[in-house]
Amino acid sequence: EIVLTQSPGTLSLSPGEGATLSCRASQSVSNYLAWYQQKRGQAPRLLIYDVSNRATGIPARFSGSGSGTDFTLTISSLEPEDFAVYYCQHRRSWPLTFGGGTKVEIK
Amino acid sequence: QVQLVESAGGVVQPGGSLRLSCAASGFTFTSCGMHWVRQAPGEGLEWVAFIPYDGSNTKYADSVKGRFTISRDNSKNTLYLQMGSLRADDTAVYYCAKDRLVSSYSGSNFDFWGQGTLVTVSS
Repeated sequence: EIVLTQSPGTLSLSPGEGATLSCRASQSVSNYLAWYQQKRGQAPRLLIYDVSNRATGIPARFSGSGSGTDFTLTISSLEPEDFAVYYCQHRRSWPLTFGGGTKVEIK
Repeated sequence: QVQLVESAGGVVQPGGSLRLSCAASGFTFTSCGMHWVRQAPGEGLEWVAFIPYDGSNTKYADSVKGRFTISRDNSKNTLYLQMGSLRADDTAVYYCAKDRLVSSYSGSNFDFWGQGTLVTVSS
């Protein structure tokens, strides 16, 4: 099983600031890495798939990068609605797994 | 628009069974793989099971293998999860989710999600 480790656990930032979230895989997942956003009480929403492809309707301030085992989700300038928990997920092999999440909270 | 609506969960005793359903609309259900993903209270996301568009070659997380069965009825645009031998650590919100790829046997990502349904296993 591929283990995804996200860091930091919590990111405290102000609206307008940039955010950088990390996801590290226990072995290579090639470019098969996705990111999701989950707000309290809601289902997750797909943001990015295959490292850097934004899902339908996702704003350009969200971008992804990386390859192999190290990946980054960047939010260029935080909007009030971006404060949430973010998860990475791989599709390299079964079982599909998620990282433990990074909470982006208002400072 | 894509809609995924799970049936109500509920409280089940340890060792008991429960079947969840997920009614799909707004997309070609017969062409899309489907998943169940769960989230224990206050915890992260855990993929549970996958079924390809044609119902063949299902996949399961080790934590539920042999106890849960995923199935689908393409004539009714409905996904199911039959859960048996339930344990306290199966307590979670269960989401049905659509796979991003079309006509694929390989699970990928989850591009649309239901609202989730809470299953509580407790005596």
